[in-house]
Amino acid sequence: GAVVSQHPSWVICKSGTSVKIECRSLDFQATTMFWYRQFPKQSLMLMATSNEGSKATYEQGVEKDKFLINHASLTLSTLTVTSAHPEDSSFYICSARGGYGSGNEQYFGPGTRLTVT
Amino acid sequence: AQRVTQPEKLLSVFKGAPVELKCNYSYSGSPELFWYVQYSRQRLQLLLRHISRESIKGFTADLNKGETSFHLKKPFAQEEDSAMYYCALSTGGGNKLTFGTGTQLKVEL
Repeated sequence: GAVVSQHPSWVICKSGTSVKIECRSLDFQATTMFWYRQFPKQSLMLMATSNEGSKATYEQGVEKDKFLINHASLTLSTLTVTSAHPEDSSFYICSARGGYGSGNEQYFGPGTRLTVT
Repeated sequence: AQRVTQPEKLLSVFKGAPVELKCNYSYSGSPELFWYVQYSRQRLQLLLRHISRESIKGFTADLNKGETSFHLKKPFAQEEDSAMYYCALSTGGGNKLTFGTGTQLKVEL
C-alpha cells in the first residue's frame, strides 16, 4: 500500500531557531499534500494544503510566514517552522494524496513531535 | 463552516459487546464522510468511507443525512479493536478533511 514517511520523527530545538520537517510519499506520486497539527488529546487541525509546483493554501489563522511549506516534487513536501517558540511545540502530521484515479484517499505519515525549549 | 462532533472521548465496552461510536456533522454541501483509526503507536489510517458502503474489520457506518450522522458500528467488539477513532468530513474540491476530536475505544476482556 501507499506509504508516507516523515523526517525527523521528533526534534527538540531552541526558541528562535527554525526547524524543517520532511514528508515523502515513498511509492506513489502525491499531487497534493496536507499538513496537520495535533495538540495533546485534541484532534488534527489542518494547517495547509500544498499542490506540487504551486503555492500552499493556508487555513484561516495559520501564519504562512511562520509555517513555510514547499512542495517541490511529487514525492516531497517540507514544512519549515521559522523562529520557533514554545507554543509551536506540537505533533505535526502530513498526509499525501495521489492524483485523479487514485481514489483521492489521504495516506498519513507517522508524525513529527516538535518540542521548542 | 463545517464541523464534526464526536461526543464521547472514551468508550469502554466488554469483548463481544456491540459498539457504536457516534459522529455528527454539520455541512451545507454534499458531505463525504470517513472513519479513520489510529492503533497504539501507529499512524492514522483509513477505516472506511461512506461512499464505499463496505464493512471493514466488521465495522459499518451509514450516512444519515436527516440526522446528519455517520455512526460507526460493530456487533461484537474484539480486543484488537481498541484504538482511537476519528470521524472526518471531506469538503471542497481539494478534499480537505475536517476531523472530529476522536473517541478512544477500549475493549475489555
